[in-house]
Amino acid sequence: DFQLTQSPSFLSASVGDRVTITCRASQGITNYLAWYQQRPGKAPKLLIYAASTLQSGVPSRFSGSGSGTEFTLTIRSLQPEDFATYYCQQLIIYPPYTFGQGTKLEIK
Amino acid sequence: EVQVVESGGGLVQPGRSLRLSCAASGFRFDYYAMHWLRQAPGKGLEWVSGISWNSGDIRYADSVKGRLTISRDNAKNSLYLQMNSLRAEDTALYYCAKDMGGDILTGYALDYWGQGTLVTVSS
Repeated sequence: DFQLTQSPSFLSASVGDRVTITCRASQGITNYLAWYQQRPGKAPKLLIYAASTLQSGVPSRFSGSGSGTEFTLTIRSLQPEDFATYYCQQLIIYPPYTFGQGTKLEIK
Repeated sequence: EVQVVESGGGLVQPGRSLRLSCAASGFRFDYYAMHWLRQAPGKGLEWVSGISWNSGDIRYADSVKGRLTISRDNAKNSLYLQMNSLRAEDTALYYCAKDMGGDILTGYALDYWGQGTLVTVSS
């Protein structure tokens, strides 16, 4: 079965830090991967699509990279509003629209 | 401004039915695929079902196949989820989300999400 493995599950960092979250697919998905941010009590928000394309309105401190089976989301110079949970999602393999298990980014 | 607003959630007994609705505005609804996703309390995101722009392609997660039915009315800019034979494990916040493309499984992400409607299945 297809699996999307996100790491780490928890991440503690400080304002101004640079952090990286990884998403690994059990089989190749070219660049059909998206990243979402979910703040507590809020709906998910699209940050990155096609692995590296920044969604309109998303700050440029967010960036995505990767293709095939390994992908990363990088946030440089963390801001207070960035402390949230982040999910990757694949968009092409059955079962459809699988999400990673999430990474909770907390303030150190 | 793009908006999707879910409604219809509530407390329902196991085995009973519920119908969720999603009202869309601010974009050409009939151009885009739409999806339902859910999030159980304290858990991650789970895709439930998706429907193409013209209802020609409909997909379901294995966990809901045969019990949940997605549909849309392009004339009313509305998406629906008919939920039958509900189980305790269906308890979740249900989100409606817009696809960036018109068809299902074409690699496009979900660019606008509603705030969700809570479904609680309990006796």
